[in-house]
Amino acid sequence: DTGVSQNPRHKITKRGQNVTFRCDPISEHNRLYWYRQTLGQGPEFLTYFQNEAQLEKSRLLSDRFSAERPKGSFSTLEIQRTEQGDSAMYLCASSLYAGGPADTQYFGPGTRLTVL
Amino acid sequence: AQSVTQLGSHVSVSEGALVLLRCNYSSSVPPYLFWYVQYPNQGLQLLLKYTSAATLVKGINGFEAEFKKSETSFHLTKPSAHMSDAAEYFCAVSDPNFGNEKLTFGTGTRLTIIP
Repeated sequence: DTGVSQNPRHKITKRGQNVTFRCDPISEHNRLYWYRQTLGQGPEFLTYFQNEAQLEKSRLLSDRFSAERPKGSFSTLEIQRTEQGDSAMYLCASSLYAGGPADTQYFGPGTRLTVL
Repeated sequence: AQSVTQLGSHVSVSEGALVLLRCNYSSSVPPYLFWYVQYPNQGLQLLLKYTSAATLVKGINGFEAEFKKSETSFHLTKPSAHMSDAAEYFCAVSDPNFGNEKLTFGTGTRLTIIP
């Protein structure tokens, strides 16, 4: 169990550019979540997958955001035409859902995005 | 919609003193409740969770929390603070009717330990 990994750890981009982040969950975890955390706030839910299916998207996820999880393994989060308001820490978490209550979500270290 | 409120964005306690971090929830159904800790440059780590079993939940590193429905609270405590407890703590809630699809977090409490 190597934990959830995220790449890159830091990304600086100019407004209007596209960026893509990658999340590698704990192997065999079937659920994968994306959250966004801004300074002084708690993480906010963006979207989640069960295997390769994207089951829920937050209203926070505008049309400029897209997430994929091909083959139910790693996931990518892409932001098109970045805006300064997109600057935040993007967190990924994974869990093993087996039908029981409140499966534990394991978080990665996050990708810090700065939009200039 | 569910939500949690963490009272006190910053809490300072002396080493060896009681740690008390407050969390109140709002939910139309009995929720699942969680406490996470975040150390600098690290991901969030689960301390403990309540899933409608025992109301007193014991977690890692000597932390525990008690679910009080009458007070809609889930406060986090530790009898004796250690320097290593300095971190940011987040309370979170999820709706059991939908499974653990998403967590709704509070704004966090930064805990400082005074030597």
